[in-house]
Order: sequence, then C-alpha cells, then structure tokens
Amino acid sequence: EVQLVQSGAEVKKPGESLKISCKGSGYSFTSYWIGWVRQMPGKGLEWMGIIYPGDSDTRYSPSFQGQVTISADKSISTAYLQWSSLKASDTAMYYCVSSSYGPAGWFDPWGQGTLVTVSS
Amino acid sequence: EIVLTQSPATLSLSPGERATLSCRASQSVSSYLAWYQQKPGQAPRLLIYDASNRATGIPARFSGSGSGTDFTLTISSLEPEDFAVYYCQQRSNWPPVTFGQGTRLEIK
Repeated sequence: EVQLVQSGAEVKKPGESLKISCKGSGYSFTSYWIGWVRQMPGKGLEWMGIIYPGDSDTRYSPSFQGQVTISADKSISTAYLQWSSLKASDTAMYYCVSSSYGPAGWFDPWGQGTLVTVSS
Repeated sequence: EIVLTQSPATLSLSPGERATLSCRASQSVSSYLAWYQQKPGQAPRLLIYDASNRATGIPARFSGSGSGTDFTLTISSLEPEDFAVYYCQQRSNWPPVTFGQGTRLEIK
C-alpha cells in the first residue's frame, strides 16, 4: 500500500525555524514527485511546491517561492518542508501529496497532515 | 494563474437525492481537471481525474464530466458518508496548480 506519513503537530513562536517531514512507503520513492499543500484554518487548498526525490528537481508556486524550502532525502524516503523564520500567518495544516503525471499531476495519496501553530 | 470558481458554495440535500456540483475555469484547462472530497478532520481524497475518470476504489455513484472551462461532479444518489467539502483542481497551466474554493455539501 502506498502511504505517506507525516511528522507530528508543532507549536512554534514567530521568528523560529521549523522543518516538517513526510515519509513515503509502499512504492519507489524516487519515481514520483512529492508536493506540499497548505490549508489555513477554515480555508481551501493551496499548492506550495513539489520535488522529484530522484534528482531533487524542485518547483515552487510563485506565492511560496522564497518563503519555504522543499527538500528530500531519498536514502530514507523522506521529503521535507522548512521555514527559516515563521510568521503567525504560517499557522495552517500542511499536507504532503504524491503526484502522478509528473510535477503537475493529480494528488494521490495524501499524508495525514501536519498542523503547524505559530503563536507568541 | 488559472482561477477555478466552484458553485454553489453550499449545497443542502437529503440522502438519496442527486447532487450536481460545478467548477468553472478562467481559461481552458482541456480535460486536466480533478475532484477531491474532504471530510472534517481528514485529508482530501482524490475522486475523479482527467475530468471523468474515477480514482481507484471510488464508488460508481460519483461521476465527472466537462472539458474546456466548465466541469460537473455528479453524485447520483447521496449516501450519508458523501456529505463533505468538494474541491476541483487543474493541472493544465502551472505553476501554480490551482484549486477551487470548495463546495460544502450538507445534509438538509
């Protein structure tokens, strides 16, 4: 079974750094793009960016370029989303997704989500 | 950036009724459109891809249609577990991949 398992919920202060993870199993991790989707409280879905673990080719949404960094460690089948300086507006649920049909594909499956809360 | 507009924002129906959800794109996306279902406290789930293909394990009561700028998700006879939020997504013109704002399907 293809599965994406994300790291647990985080509570951080503004200005702190954070790296959350997404571990893939049940398939060849280096053969599919892994993306990240943000869902702010009570809101819709926003595509942040995506990475191909095979060669670390990474693409970002213009809205998130420079705000976050997406990376992957293929040796442990894990993708990451990181912030260098969090803001209160980064409070959201973050989902990792596996993308079929390349970097702009359909998202299936989804990880269970990581809730990030940024508050002073 | 392609904007997807879903209507209605909220749809109130009873179990057994037929649901029709709409997604309109600001420019043609060909057939590069998907639908997702999200239940409270859960991650979204892929229902339909390429406008009309059901994803693995999705019941036949879910169907998708349309091309270009106008798309429809139809649930032929609502089951209690179908009440959720539905999102459309396009992958024709990116970055970024974009989602609609969602339609909430609630029990009447």
